[in-house]
Amino acid sequence: SYVLTQPPSVSVAPGKTARITCGGNNIGSKSVHWYQQKPGQAPVLVIYYDSDRPSGIPERFSGSNSGNTATLTISRVEAGDEADYYCQVWDSSSDYWVFGGGTKLTVL
Amino acid sequence: EVQLVESGGGLVQPGGSLRLSCAASGFTFSSYWMSWVRQAPGKGLEWVANIKQDGSEKYYVDSVKGRFTISRDNAKNSLYLQMNSLRAEDTAVYYCARGYSYPHDAFDIWGQGTMVTVSS
Repeated sequence: SYVLTQPPSVSVAPGKTARITCGGNNIGSKSVHWYQQKPGQAPVLVIYYDSDRPSGIPERFSGSNSGNTATLTISRVEAGDEADYYCQVWDSSSDYWVFGGGTKLTVL
Repeated sequence: EVQLVESGGGLVQPGGSLRLSCAASGFTFSSYWMSWVRQAPGKGLEWVANIKQDGSEKYYVDSVKGRFTISRDNAKNSLYLQMNSLRAEDTAVYYCARGYSYPHDAFDIWGQGTMVTVSS
């Protein structure tokens, strides 16, 4: 089955840029979605189809996908961005949704 | 307001059954793929199952195949998950989530979740 690999944690100072990666075999050929989950809350979609932002999501959130790595980039990080972030792809060969293991973003 | 509200969670013994419900409102339920996603305590997200708009296609994660059944009632704007032969490892918060036209569309709306605890 398809596997998505995320770093368990990323730390960044306020105002700096955070990059969260999601690795998978030829992930660039798939569409990647990203979710933010704060403690005790349901996940929220922040990026869909690699780089599109839902309405209400700040422009500071962006995404890219190429080769074996997809990346969620958060610019000008704020304390309120501290959360777990998950990448997700649909594995059409297995008819499966796959989530990455999640990355805890800590704002220093 | 677009909303999903889950219900039906609780404490159940190993081998028991439970039926989760998800009530949709504020959108045309019959136009969307729907999914169940679970999260074990302190763990990450795991997709469980999804169902096409008309119920004609259903997909499951291997660990629940043969034990869980996803269904929907478009007339009642409701999604269901029948869980049988429950195991301790099924303990999790279960979320229903809205997709869109295609199975690979992102989940743009999530419910608040319902807790399922499998324990003797």
